[in-house]
Amino acid sequence: RKEVEQDPGPFNVPEGATVAFNCTYSNSASQSFFWYRQDCRKEPKLLMSVYSSGNEDGRFTAQLNRASQYISLLIRDSKLSDSATYLCVVHQAGTALIFGKGTTLSVSS
Amino acid sequence: NAGVTQTPKFQVLKTGQSMTLQCAQDMNHNSMYWYRQDPGMGLRLIYYSASEGTTDKGEVPNGYNVSRLNKREFSLRLESAAPSQTSVYFCASSEGGAGVGNSPLHFGNGTRLTVT
Repeated sequence: RKEVEQDPGPFNVPEGATVAFNCTYSNSASQSFFWYRQDCRKEPKLLMSVYSSGNEDGRFTAQLNRASQYISLLIRDSKLSDSATYLCVVHQAGTALIFGKGTTLSVSS
Repeated sequence: NAGVTQTPKFQVLKTGQSMTLQCAQDMNHNSMYWYRQDPGMGLRLIYYSASEGTTDKGEVPNGYNVSRLNKREFSLRLESAAPSQTSVYFCASSEGGAGVGNSPLHFGNGTRLTVT
């Protein structure tokens, strides 16, 4: 089982849609969780950290389920500018961050 | 505030040639990292440095060496380039020191390397 797994997509949605991505991780001792966004041929950029109680940043909501070892990202009212690859990232103690392969989102008008 | 600066942006090498990728950060971060990104493989860690004076291997260190020259700079060297090292290379930094990886990464713009 890979350490961090994501559905690669692509997810193709119309503007205004709500879309959700899930990510599973294998190490139950994982401590910190993040979502990064990567535009085509650009560097990854931090979208948001994921906290145990769940957290929201505008149209974006992140959730953590430690019992089932997954994190999720919900995007409401999708915009064309949300089109990108979303990377799930997990920190395991004593190591650097582990990246999932990413989920591609395409929002169309 | 430049953040993380990588040079060069593009490079073409012949098999067997050597080169050094440069990386510098101006955020006073403790930890620095080198990742490579290949289609279908995601980002894979090559080497990281939790603090000045220390370096550790990541997932795919073979064929690479690194130097943490000072707190700001972390270079990646390919001693004898191979076609399998064709990739996009990203340098990153984070505040995290002792708890390496528990703070977000800030990435450079990447170096697109082709080895023929």
